[in-house]
Amino acid sequence: GAVVSQHPSRVICKSGTSVKIECRSLDFQATTMFWYRQFPKQSLMLMATSNEGSKATYEQGVEKDKFLINHASLTLSTLTVTSAHPEDSSFYICSARVRSGANVLTFGAGSRLTVL
Amino acid sequence: TQLLEQSPQFLSIQEGENLTVYCNSSSVFSSLQWYRQEPGEGPVLLVTVVTGGEVKKLKRLTFQFGDARKDSSLHITAAQPGDTGLYLCAGDTGTASKLTFGTGTRLQVTL
Repeated sequence: GAVVSQHPSRVICKSGTSVKIECRSLDFQATTMFWYRQFPKQSLMLMATSNEGSKATYEQGVEKDKFLINHASLTLSTLTVTSAHPEDSSFYICSARVRSGANVLTFGAGSRLTVL
Repeated sequence: TQLLEQSPQFLSIQEGENLTVYCNSSSVFSSLQWYRQEPGEGPVLLVTVVTGGEVKKLKRLTFQFGDARKDSSLHITAAQPGDTGLYLCAGDTGTASKLTFGTGTRLQVTL
């Protein structure tokens, strides 16, 4: 079945540094990937839609310069949290559409970011 | 922004009990999906319903899509500790390729 790999699963960084999270589709091509943020015991909040070969589409209230998204290939999207602050600490999850025309998503295992 | 409200928010039951989780919205969805998420993991798709009034069964789980395609329910029969997790419904409006996730229901099943 379709597998989405997310790396790293956990990362701890100091305030002011940048952190990159990778999302890979292992056995299929994903022209569209989605990045979510999840606070403890809460649902998923869509941050942005990552489009291969073009700019990402950000949801209202999400800072583009803070959360840089790059989708340079059909199997890889990256989320870079720039100048991280403690309030950026969260669980970040990516997903990809399994096949064109169907809105069925496969999710990565998530990345827990802790900013000290 | 479409809102999907789930109820209850939290449910703690004993093994063997039955339960129902509801997912309600004022918007119409072309399809609705249910996911289960365990701590520290990504959500895993359980089912997709696309037709108003549709009922799907997955072992002890029964999913129903409302006739007007605005709501859905998940019924679990004889719950087991392995059913513990966060249950999320997600609606697809058919545009913009985005899913709207529900507020979530955290289920805890104890022995």
